[in-house]
Amino acid sequence: TQLLEQSPQFLSIQEGENLTVYCNSSSVFSSLQWYRQEPGEGPVLLVTVVTGGEVKKLKRLTFQFGDARKDSSLHITAAQPGDTGLYLCAGARPEYGNKLVFGAGTILRVKS
Amino acid sequence: DAGVTQSPTHLIKTRGQHVTLRCSPISGHKSVSWYQQVLGQGPQFIFQYYEKEERGRGNFPDRFSARQFPNYSSELNVNALLLGDSALYLCASSSLLVGHTEAFFGQGTRLTVV
Repeated sequence: TQLLEQSPQFLSIQEGENLTVYCNSSSVFSSLQWYRQEPGEGPVLLVTVVTGGEVKKLKRLTFQFGDARKDSSLHITAAQPGDTGLYLCAGARPEYGNKLVFGAGTILRVKS
Repeated sequence: DAGVTQSPTHLIKTRGQHVTLRCSPISGHKSVSWYQQVLGQGPQFIFQYYEKEERGRGNFPDRFSARQFPNYSSELNVNALLLGDSALYLCASSSLLVGHTEAFFGQGTRLTVV
């Protein structure tokens, strides 16, 4: 059982469409990070959210941390082919010791 | 500034052999963590080292070991390789213990066990 559940697992959309990726848990996290990973490469950090209800924007990407710090979402506006990749959320909790717990990821494919 | 560097980038080994993977963290970072990512899954935590001491261990067998050197670089060793050890091995660098600060990943080492 994944501690962090990501949905959907796979998303294929046309260029210009909007999309939302979800990261849910029954546990509270002290912080949550979103990464984007391309095939054969390491994950690249996009954002870190630490405060319940926090919203952060990175160009066309909007990240939100749930009020209870159990869930997060990533919204992409007007998706472009360059957004294609694996999107991973990762959470940290003191109870988990010194590690990040990752979701299984959402594979996004944006077609031109 | 150089990011996190890992070597080698690709490696093919035979079952039963051992392997050593290397990681150099971002300059000034004192923590290195290792993760295993198999195809279709998110990374799974293996070890974290901070100031040359082990500060966390994931649910991996004793065939996996690691160490951190005085210059904060790190090695991950895997003995008696199994086919199931085939994966992308990722090194993450952070200024403090992961969970207290952001982690930055290297490009990974793709290990194939045949």
